[in-house]
Amino acid sequence: GQQVMQIPQYQHVQEGEDFTTYCNSSTTLSNIQWYKQRPGGHPVFLIQLVKSGEVKKQKRLTFQFGEAKKNSSLHITATQTTDVGTYFCAGRGGSSNTGKLIFGQGTTLQVKP
Amino acid sequence: DTGVSQDPRHKITKRGQNVTFRCDPISEHNRLYWYRQTLGQGPEFLTYFQNEAQLEKSRLLSDRFSAERPKGSFSTLEIQRTEQGDSAMYLCASSLGITDNTGELFFGEGSRLTVL
Repeated sequence: GQQVMQIPQYQHVQEGEDFTTYCNSSTTLSNIQWYKQRPGGHPVFLIQLVKSGEVKKQKRLTFQFGEAKKNSSLHITATQTTDVGTYFCAGRGGSSNTGKLIFGQGTTLQVKP
Repeated sequence: DTGVSQDPRHKITKRGQNVTFRCDPISEHNRLYWYRQTLGQGPEFLTYFQNEAQLEKSRLLSDRFSAERPKGSFSTLEIQRTEQGDSAMYLCASSLGITDNTGELFFGEGSRLTVL
């Protein structure tokens, strides 16, 4: 079945440093979404990518969808302590018309002030 | 509050007992999802509904788990004969399902299950 993998599992950075998490799917995706979960909280939607090679920005966050629609990345420029949390990618399979959304295991970001 | 609500927020039970969780989605959302999350892991897909129809169910889900959404509004997730391995956070999410399957998920706060 479809699997979504993320690396790294954990990342500790100094405030002001950049951060990147990578997401890879075992199958082609119809779309990919990114969520953020703060400690003790629930996942909150950040963004969705649909087109091959798509790049979207939200302030210091840059999201990219690979040309083959099997991988994605999230890059944060100049991290702040408010960026702390776990970032999940989640994808829908491209070969079938499904609403099922499969999550990666997440990358937990710690930011040292 | 018009978000996704789940009840109870916490449940402690003894092994072998049955438990039921309820989820009330955002009112105009036609899709409802159940996920399970353990510490350090991503949400694991369990099942999802479009209106009252259960469209997909994880093959990893044993027959002790059953979910319903009888009138296409709220949903219940029942776990029969609970085991210690069922201890987890059970997350419900809803979305506006559209034909290109691009709806974002809105999650509830979750129901934390502890099986002793």
